[in-house]
Amino acid sequence: DAGVIQSPRHEVTEMGQEVTLRCKLISGHNSLFWYRQTMMRGLELLIYFNNNVPIDDSGMPEDRFSAKMPNASFSTLKIQPSEPRDSAVYFCASSLGGSNQPQHFGDGTRLSIL
Amino acid sequence: EDQVTQSPEALRLQEGESSSLNCSYTVSGLRGLFWYRQDPGKGPEFLFTLYSAGEEKEKERLKATLTKKESFLHITAPKPEDSATYLCAALPTGGGNKLTFGTGTQLKVEL
Repeated sequence: DAGVIQSPRHEVTEMGQEVTLRCKLISGHNSLFWYRQTMMRGLELLIYFNNNVPIDDSGMPEDRFSAKMPNASFSTLKIQPSEPRDSAVYFCASSLGGSNQPQHFGDGTRLSIL
Repeated sequence: EDQVTQSPEALRLQEGESSSLNCSYTVSGLRGLFWYRQDPGKGPEFLFTLYSAGEEKEKERLKATLTKKESFLHITAPKPEDSATYLCAALPTGGGNKLTFGTGTQLKVEL
C-alpha cells in the first residue's frame, strides 16, 4: 500500500519567493495534518483538516502560511513570501478518524530559505 | 500549558543491553499517548497508542507502558537496527486535536 507521499523532498529558494509543498494522503484516510519540525522546537502541528475542512489552524504561524485541500486525497501548504526562519522539515500525516487515531507520516520536505 | 518531556535525550546501548526510555506528560486530561520511531531523513513511524493507565502494548523487542504521569518504552535485547529517535506524543482531552510531541530520545545500539 502506498503511504503518504510528499513533494518535493528538498526545496532551496531565496527569501521572498513563494513555496508550495504538496501531500497525497493514504487512500481512504479522511484526516490530514501538516507539521513543521526543527531542532529547537521539535514537531509542531500547523493545521488539521477533517473531511477536507480545516478544523484547527491555530498552529499556522502567520498569514504568510496557507493550506488547502482541493480534494479528499491531496493537500498543499503554501508560504508567500518565504523567510529564512521558515527553514525546517515539513511533514504531512494522514489518519482514519482524526487525532486520536494513529497518524501516518510522509518522509517530509526539507525547506531551506536563503 | 500541555507539555511532554522525554529522557534521556540520547542513549547508547550495547547490543543485547536492555533499557527504558521515559516520557513524562503534563496535559489537561489524556485521550491518548502515542509512540513513534523516526529514522534519519524519514517521517515518524507509528509504534503504539496507549489510552489508559495500566495499559501495555508490545511489538517485537519493544513494550510500551502507561501510568497517570508518564509512559515508558522498554527495549529488550536491542539490536543495531533499533537505532533511531523515539518520539512520544500526548493528545489531551481539552486540547482539541493537537498532539503535543516530546523532543525525542536518540537511541544508538552498537555491536
